[in-house]
Amino acid sequence: DAKTTQPPSMDCAEGRAANLPCNHSTISGNEYVYWYRQIHSQGPQYIIHGLKNNETNEMASLIITEDRKSSTLILPHATLRDTAVYYCIVRGNTNAGKSTFGDGTTLTVKP
Amino acid sequence: GAVVSQHPSWVICKSGTSVKIECRSLDFQATTMFWYRQFPKQSLMLMATSNEGSKATYEQGVEKDKFLINHASLTLSTLTVTSAHPEDSSFYICSASRPTGGTGELFFGEGSRLTVL
Repeated sequence: DAKTTQPPSMDCAEGRAANLPCNHSTISGNEYVYWYRQIHSQGPQYIIHGLKNNETNEMASLIITEDRKSSTLILPHATLRDTAVYYCIVRGNTNAGKSTFGDGTTLTVKP
Repeated sequence: GAVVSQHPSWVICKSGTSVKIECRSLDFQATTMFWYRQFPKQSLMLMATSNEGSKATYEQGVEKDKFLINHASLTLSTLTVTSAHPEDSSFYICSASRPTGGTGELFFGEGSRLTVL
């Protein structure tokens, strides 16, 4: 079973911030939160990850609650090209830890 | 650029034939790779963990004799769908992460779309 739960779909207006939530209440102390997105018929693309501190990169920001049971991915200025399925997964930072995907959130950015 | 690559991107085969899909890590040695299957409008489903030099570990419900995995080198894992049938038509995706010095980030291949006629 997936360790994360996400809303099935969200809409966002172009140019506005998109805030995508994820619940991971059973996360272990050594597990990171990773976010990926998938555009139709392509492999998932890495966005960002974090352990307990908030993180920011050129694509997005990641806000992790203090108890680490949930997180929010923020796309600060959504564009039409950000329309995709967004997945959050939890995983240890070793190469062998397997990851199961939940159903993800389908984000639709509208003009 | 891509660090994990799959081949072929798409393949069409006749029912009863076998199809091999390759997954290569391009700039690091991957002792572990993962294979997923994805049906239309569904999430990725983990099929198996491919371990270099040893047998793959299959998830519950995945037939190991149907989906043969070979990880003979540190940069190549192959998935062979044996005696393929139309219900095996799907999008197959592999992933790997750097063995050391990384953050556990999974790099995904481009995916391979299999259509069985």
